[in-house]
Amino acid sequence: DQQVKQNSPSLSVQEGRISILNCDYTNSMFDYFLWYKKYPAEGPTFLISISSIKDKNEDGRFTVFLNKSAKHLSLHIVPSQPGDSAVYFCAATTGNQFYFGTGTSLTVIP
Amino acid sequence: DAMVIQNPRYQVTQFGKPVTLSCSQTLNHNVMYWYQQKSSQAPKLLFHYYDKDFNNEADTPDNFQSRRPNTSFCFLDIRSPGLGDAAMYLCATSRGAASTDTQYFGPGTRLTVL
Repeated sequence: DQQVKQNSPSLSVQEGRISILNCDYTNSMFDYFLWYKKYPAEGPTFLISISSIKDKNEDGRFTVFLNKSAKHLSLHIVPSQPGDSAVYFCAATTGNQFYFGTGTSLTVIP
Repeated sequence: DAMVIQNPRYQVTQFGKPVTLSCSQTLNHNVMYWYQQKSSQAPKLLFHYYDKDFNNEADTPDNFQSRRPNTSFCFLDIRSPGLGDAAMYLCATSRGAASTDTQYFGPGTRLTVL
């Protein structure tokens, strides 16, 4: 039973444009959400997070939006750069229960 | 640099032959996790240790065991690997077990079962 879903397995974006990665979840008990970035042959690395009491968190080029009523979160990358090309996993947690999505592979085209 | 290290990066074993995967950390974190990730799937938590306190996920097969002899090291033992156990195994650590405690991942060990 997949509690966190990333329905787009891949996304291609031109350099300089906005990348929007989406994530849906089913469990209303999740209280913290994270995005991880993964390069080939490396483990996932933490990118940005948001608490369920917020609807937006920004860190440089990366912004995460949370819509609790829709059980949806998104990651915006502006402007996109070729070095952003990687697999992005969203994750949701409550206590020590931690669930990942299946990942979206982002390609930023120079 | 403080980090999470997994050895080996690639492991090949035979069907039914026990195998051990290793994880070490220099972050001095209290919690260590083992995840299994199969191709095109989400990483799935197998179990975690909070200090020496072992927590098994309900659907983790009995074939999988773990040991944490000290703060720095954690091992994943697969007693009788089947073909379905071929996957990437990720180790992670976090300072605590609260939702807000970020998990830091190692590079993973890719297990092949022949």
